[in-house]
Amino acid sequence: AQTVTQSQPEMSVQEAETVTLSCTYDTSESDYYLFWYKQPPSRQMILVIRQEAYKQQNATENRFSVNFQKAAKSFSLKISDSQLGDAAMYFCAYRSAGGNEKLTFGTGTRLTIIP
Amino acid sequence: EPEVTQTPSHQVTQMGQEVILRCVPISNHLYFYWYRQILGQKVEFLVSFYNNEISEKSEIFDDQFSVERPDGSNFTLKIRSTKLEDSAMYFCASSRTGPSSGNTIYFGEGSWLTVV
Repeated sequence: AQTVTQSQPEMSVQEAETVTLSCTYDTSESDYYLFWYKQPPSRQMILVIRQEAYKQQNATENRFSVNFQKAAKSFSLKISDSQLGDAAMYFCAYRSAGGNEKLTFGTGTRLTIIP
Repeated sequence: EPEVTQTPSHQVTQMGQEVILRCVPISNHLYFYWYRQILGQKVEFLVSFYNNEISEKSEIFDDQFSVERPDGSNFTLKIRSTKLEDSAMYFCASSRTGPSSGNTIYFGEGSWLTVV
């Protein structure tokens, strides 16, 4: 079974600075997908970014980018120019490409933005 | 932008009562899911549904739980006899194509269930 580990329960960053959230995962599969979801105080789950394991290029979405290290099974999220609206819980998630449909989530990292 | 919508946003129920949580997935999506998140814990998979039948379920999804797509637009989660430990946020989600495409799963805003 796949597992997802987020070793930072809480992180904080000054507004406009850059922060990196860590995620590692364990799998025996070669083809899969990785996601970062954001959960603000409203508790909605919002997709931030996704990465296909077969792609070597790291995904980027505006101020959000990932550092995907397949051999190390690491998938970190970098937030540049942090804004107050980035304050939220961030969940890393894994999804198999081989037919298992579910998302497996990590325990989350609570990000605080310091004005 | 199309959204997954859920009702109610919050429900309080007495232990032993039946609860139905409702969801309207994104209209051209074919795969539907329920997840739950107990307060302070991670999001857990409950069940996935495709072509009018369950395609996968977790060990959490026991005989007290059932899902249904009664009319082609709604997708419901029923808890037959609620227990205190069923108190959680329940998320409905949907995706357009199958798992092998890795297509993104979109979540609703959640239904917060409190069992007293």
